[in-house]
Amino acid sequence: NAGVTQTPKFQVLKTGQSMTLQCAQDMNHEYMSWYRQDPGMGLRLIHYSVGAGITDQGEVPNGYNVSRSTTEDFPLRLLSAAPSQTSVYFCASRPQGRNTIYFGEGSWLTVV
Amino acid sequence: EDKVVQSPLSLVVHEGDTVTLNCSYEVTNFRSLLWYKQEKKAPTFLFMLTSSGIEKKSGRLSSILDKKELFSILNITATQTGDSAVYLCAVVFQTGANNLFFGTGTRLTVIP
Repeated sequence: NAGVTQTPKFQVLKTGQSMTLQCAQDMNHEYMSWYRQDPGMGLRLIHYSVGAGITDQGEVPNGYNVSRSTTEDFPLRLLSAAPSQTSVYFCASRPQGRNTIYFGEGSWLTVV
Repeated sequence: EDKVVQSPLSLVVHEGDTVTLNCSYEVTNFRSLLWYKQEKKAPTFLFMLTSSGIEKKSGRLSSILDKKELFSILNITATQTGDSAVYLCAVVFQTGANNLFFGTGTRLTVIP
């Protein structure tokens, strides 16, 4: 009963470092997405994917890359971390034709 | 520009009180509106509203959508300390990907 699994839960990076936030789901959902949540800003869409091999940008894609080589996995890459990327990151997935999305537990990222 | 505005931003009530949370929206291509509850970690789904005037109910929580006036309300009766959370409203766009656009949330604190 894993659902949407994100790793790591907590990470501290130095400015300029790169890292990948992992997201995996075991529900065979076609749609996956990444959000960031900042105080007073709500959840903002970074990137999303409607199926393996297909990705697209959301509201705030700059500084992030994604790929979707399998249905299960949707990693989010920070190529050169900046303090402005300090945030809580949520991965979410949804089956085809449904509106309700299911969130992972979140990854707390601090860039110093 | 698409907007989802929630009010109030925060609210403190005593156990047993009834609260009404508001969500107004101005978006193109509206499909449906979702309510989520977020405690310490991932948002959890409460309601999906697609049609005007039809109340959705789950225990002490209920919600309704007005597509003419472009708003939704979430009511919580007989509040309990376990209702303390951030309540998020999100609009689903009627596009191929059906992405969600979130409001900033209302932080509800219920004190004994």
